Amino acid sequence: SAVISQKPSRDICQRGTSLTIQCQVDSQVTMMFWYRQQPGQSLTLIATANQGSEATYESGFVIDKFPISRPNLTFSTLTVSNMSPEDSSIYLCSIKWQTGGMNEQFFGPGTRLTVL
Amino acid sequence: DAKTTQPNSMESNEEEPVHLPCNHSTISGTDYIHWYRQLPSQGPEYVIHGLTSNVNNRMASLAIAEDRKSSTLILHRATLRDAAVYYCILRGPIDQFYFGTGTSLTVIP
Repeated sequence: SAVISQKPSRDICQRGTSLTIQCQVDSQVTMMFWYRQQPGQSLTLIATANQGSEATYESGFVIDKFPISRPNLTFSTLTVSNMSPEDSSIYLCSIKWQTGGMNEQFFGPGTRLTVL
Repeated sequence: DAKTTQPNSMESNEEEPVHLPCNHSTISGTDYIHWYRQLPSQGPEYVIHGLTSNVNNRMASLAIAEDRKSSTLILHRATLRDAAVYYCILRGPIDQFYFGTGTSLTVIP
């Protein structure tokens, strides 16, 4: 399996500001994913990020609010722009990883964001 | 809307089997069913997956209904370390995951 780290692990931000979350993988991977987990809720897929192409966003999420970069095969960033208290969530990145002939996902530890 | 639905919570006594149900009535013919679990303050981790046939691994078993509109995760002997939120997930065409609502499992000593 791969080791996934996220920075920052948590942050408290003011309304109207932006925060960039980093996801670093210790192996090269083609596909990465970004999820949001609101307090007490399940995970919701924000977007799929392939290296060398534009991210694909799920319904309800737009690039202006959640711009994503994927500069190489081991790194991605998610920016939460113009934040409001409703953006307070845990943000997780994951990677697509093949094990035993099947594609699974491994998840990072998450970034806990609180917006005041 | 979630593509899968699960009970919000379940309880089990330690050392007893646990059956965690999941409904996925809109599943397509090519959607794989995955189960992950999430321990407090951690990212989800893989438990098991299947397509049509029942599956067993060292962690659990997965029973899939013949019409594939529901499935059940079976933990054969619950331990305290199995206390977690269990998610039933459908895998999309480009391997994206659509998480269900999740079941919080409490294991009673």
